[in-house]
Amino acid sequence: GAVVSQHPSWVICKSGTSVKIECRSLDFQATTMFWYRQFPKQSLMLMATSNEGSKATYEQGVEKDKFLINHASLTLSTLTVTSAHPEDSSFYICSARDPRGDSYNEQFFGPGTRLTVL
Amino acid sequence: GESVGLHLPTLSVQEGDNSIINCAYSNSASDYFIWYKQESGKGPQFIIDIRSNMDKRQGQRVTVLLNKTVKHLSLQIAATQPGDSAVYFCAEKEYGNKLVFGAGTILRVKS
Repeated sequence: GAVVSQHPSWVICKSGTSVKIECRSLDFQATTMFWYRQFPKQSLMLMATSNEGSKATYEQGVEKDKFLINHASLTLSTLTVTSAHPEDSSFYICSARDPRGDSYNEQFFGPGTRLTVL
Repeated sequence: GESVGLHLPTLSVQEGDNSIINCAYSNSASDYFIWYKQESGKGPQFIIDIRSNMDKRQGQRVTVLLNKTVKHLSLQIAATQPGDSAVYFCAEKEYGNKLVFGAGTILRVKS
């Protein structure tokens, strides 16, 4: 099956620093990856759609200069939280679209990254 | 449905009973729906899906019902087990392969 990994699984950083989170598709090539944010006891909110070789598409209200997304290869997308502040503390989850096959279920989720900003 | 960012509702059931988790979605044009299970500190795990040309689909111990008239989706879990304790989300697939997640329901199974 399609496997998606994230690194790191958790990170603690100081306010004002930048943090990079990686999302990898391990056994397939993903032309499209998605980044979600989830606050405690809340649902997943889509932040942006990452397309290989082109600029990411951000959802309304998500600052593209704060959440930098780079989809440099077909198996790797990165999310960089720049100048992180405590309110950026959240669970960040990526998913990757596996276009193989004819199933409608094409998105496979990573295990998430817990970001805590002190 | 749209996530509204509120505290998640909780459903408590006794082990062995059946569970029914409900979800209202917002976009009548959505043609594909998925139920996910999310355990604490983990990413969503696919449970079952249904296309809009169906009103019922069954899996192993789970059934999804779709009522397009009232834009309502439900997940039924038979003989609920302690391992089913988690947060359950419905999601609808929108334009551009985007998924919009519902608010979620916490399922607690009492032994």
